[in-house]
Amino acid sequence: GAGVSQSPRYKVAKRGQDVALRCDPISGHVSLFWYQQALGQGPEFLTYFQNEAQLDKSGLPSDRFFAERPEGSVSTLKIQRTQQEDSAVYLCASSLDDRTNEKLFFGSGTQLSVL
Amino acid sequence: KQEVTQIPAALSVPEGENLVLNCSFTDSAIYNLQWFRQDPGKGLTSLLLIQSSQREQTSGRLNASLDKSSGRSTLYIAASQPGDSATYLCAVREDAGKSTFGDGTTLTVKP
Repeated sequence: GAGVSQSPRYKVAKRGQDVALRCDPISGHVSLFWYQQALGQGPEFLTYFQNEAQLDKSGLPSDRFFAERPEGSVSTLKIQRTQQEDSAVYLCASSLDDRTNEKLFFGSGTQLSVL
Repeated sequence: KQEVTQIPAALSVPEGENLVLNCSFTDSAIYNLQWFRQDPGKGLTSLLLIQSSQREQTSGRLNASLDKSSGRSTLYIAASQPGDSATYLCAVREDAGKSTFGDGTTLTVKP
């Protein structure tokens, strides 16, 4: 595709509900990243994939957060038993190859509101 | 742990003024540094990427510099326009993988 695509654009969940956020990276991009952005702050790293391998998940805030990229393209970030503190914008980014100095390209994000 | 700071948090200037945004980081062993702009409710748009071996990059009215030894980068915007109004973020990548972001500088350019 022309850019990184994320869906849904907005998600409202009741506390305790499970949610799934989707990211379609730029075609051919090897690396995929998930970030969480709170209002008025910069993005915070969650997890990173190179192809289908999850190389770093050190930023996931709890075991309620899970990410996958089974075929090395589309990725899903799943949050189980959502809490109010999970409310944020979730951003996905991709890059061509992380072993060289490559730009990050971001999607428009999914704004999650947990009531 | 890498920490990235951006000063000022907000800046308001009249149209046509040249301005400088600052980014500082605590660990100088970086892989690259990237500047982004973010419009309200939108994702991040890449402006400039500076590799660790480079000192500066230019694109149109934008110039970004990097001084690893002092842990600083600046983004220079020439002849500012109202359309430049946005939040500007810098991101430091230390190794293959994650980047650490500052909290951004919100720029308002008044006509």
